[in-house]
Amino acid sequence: QVQLVQSGAEVKKPGASVKVSCEASGYTFSTYTFHWVRQAPGQRLEWMGWINAGNGDTKYSQNFQGRVTITRETSASTAYLELSRLRSEDTAVYYCARDGSTAGHAFDIWGQGTVVTVSS
Amino acid sequence: QSVLTQPPSVSGAPGQRVTMSCTGSSSNIGANYDVHWYQQLPGTAPKLLIYGNSNRPSGVPDRFSGSKSGTSASLAITGLQAEDEADYYCQSYDNSLSGWVFGGGTKLTVL
Repeated sequence: QVQLVQSGAEVKKPGASVKVSCEASGYTFSTYTFHWVRQAPGQRLEWMGWINAGNGDTKYSQNFQGRVTITRETSASTAYLELSRLRSEDTAVYYCARDGSTAGHAFDIWGQGTVVTVSS
Repeated sequence: QSVLTQPPSVSGAPGQRVTMSCTGSSSNIGANYDVHWYQQLPGTAPKLLIYGNSNRPSGVPDRFSGSKSGTSASLAITGLQAEDEADYYCQSYDNSLSGWVFGGGTKLTVL
């Protein structure tokens, strides 16, 4: 079954870091690029960055430069998002999504989402 | 900051046709980048509905269609059904931001 399964909900204090995982199954992980997108309560979807699972190349949104790191572990078919120096505005649902290279680079498979709450 | 603009809400009765717009600029839709559409049911992850402006992934009913012209795109839904009630988001690439951007979403209410 083609899917992405994300790690569970997190509660963090301001200033801390969070790391969310995204495990792929049902296809060859290293042949795809994976994106991270977040959605704050009542807000639009916001693209954060991507990683090429084959060569590890990354690209980040200007909005998160210096705070976000996306990595992958090919042996585990897993991509990771780490966000540092958390603030209350980072409270959101974080999604990983597969870049559908045969679908015009639309995000064709999505994880179920990980709720990250930042609160003192 | 360049963003995609969508109407906050649209509504229609069962069986009717509704359309929703997505307005961009010369750095995204107008720069000939593809527009994609996603459906997000309450409490769930977005699901790809239309890719490459007008293409439907396998399993998406042909009641859903997309089009693009100039700096705008639109999504049409015919034969409206209760299960179509959801939020719909458009997406494109923006070369001034060097990244992907989403619209603010349109909430579809089936009356």
